[in-house]
Amino acid sequence: SQTIHQWPATLVQPVGSPLSLECTVEGTSNPNLYWYRQAAGRGLQLLFYSVGIGQISSEVPQNLSASRPQDRQFILSSKKLLLSDSGFYLCAWNLRVNYGYTFGSGTRLTVV
Amino acid sequence: AQKVTQAQTEISVVEKEDVTLDCVYETRDTTYYLFWYKQPPSGELVFLIRRNSFDEQNEISGRYSWNFQKSTSSFNFTITASQVVDSAVYFCALSGYGAGSYQLTFGKGTKLSVIP
Repeated sequence: SQTIHQWPATLVQPVGSPLSLECTVEGTSNPNLYWYRQAAGRGLQLLFYSVGIGQISSEVPQNLSASRPQDRQFILSSKKLLLSDSGFYLCAWNLRVNYGYTFGSGTRLTVV
Repeated sequence: AQKVTQAQTEISVVEKEDVTLDCVYETRDTTYYLFWYKQPPSGELVFLIRRNSFDEQNEISGRYSWNFQKSTSSFNFTITASQVVDSAVYFCALSGYGAGSYQLTFGKGTKLSVIP
């Protein structure tokens, strides 16, 4: 069966520090991968998605970047965090969009 | 462009009451899919249901039921005899089908609070 792993679960980082969040999927090949952010009390904002290794589509220009170094690995990064980067980050995957998403458990990031 | 509207931002009900969460969508696609997700306080989004645009049959799963009406572009979600464990944010979502469709369009969510 397929599983998605996302870590860490919580993270407190100072302003200006780097960020690396990792997401991996097991039990499938060539998944579509997604990074979402949810600010406190707000809806879901799509940040990046990837349909293959090295293929990254950015939905919102910002302080973040994404990479897909391996087929089932998706990494969200920042060189210098801003206060506004605080939020709940969710990774998701599917094989086809009409299947919907399977979400990871999320990372709660607080930038202080 | 696709759009999903969940007009109810927050709803509070007393335990055992029935509650309906509204979802209205816009799309130009003839083939599309609709979804509901639940986000409990822990944060992880849990898949509840997926419907395609050709299947307008209502669906019932235990205390949950869904009413899909293409004529009004609505896909409403009803919880019967609500329980405290139903307290969560519920998201309705829409996807297209075929080449170039890679993402779901989410509504802004409805926060349901079930009061004991």
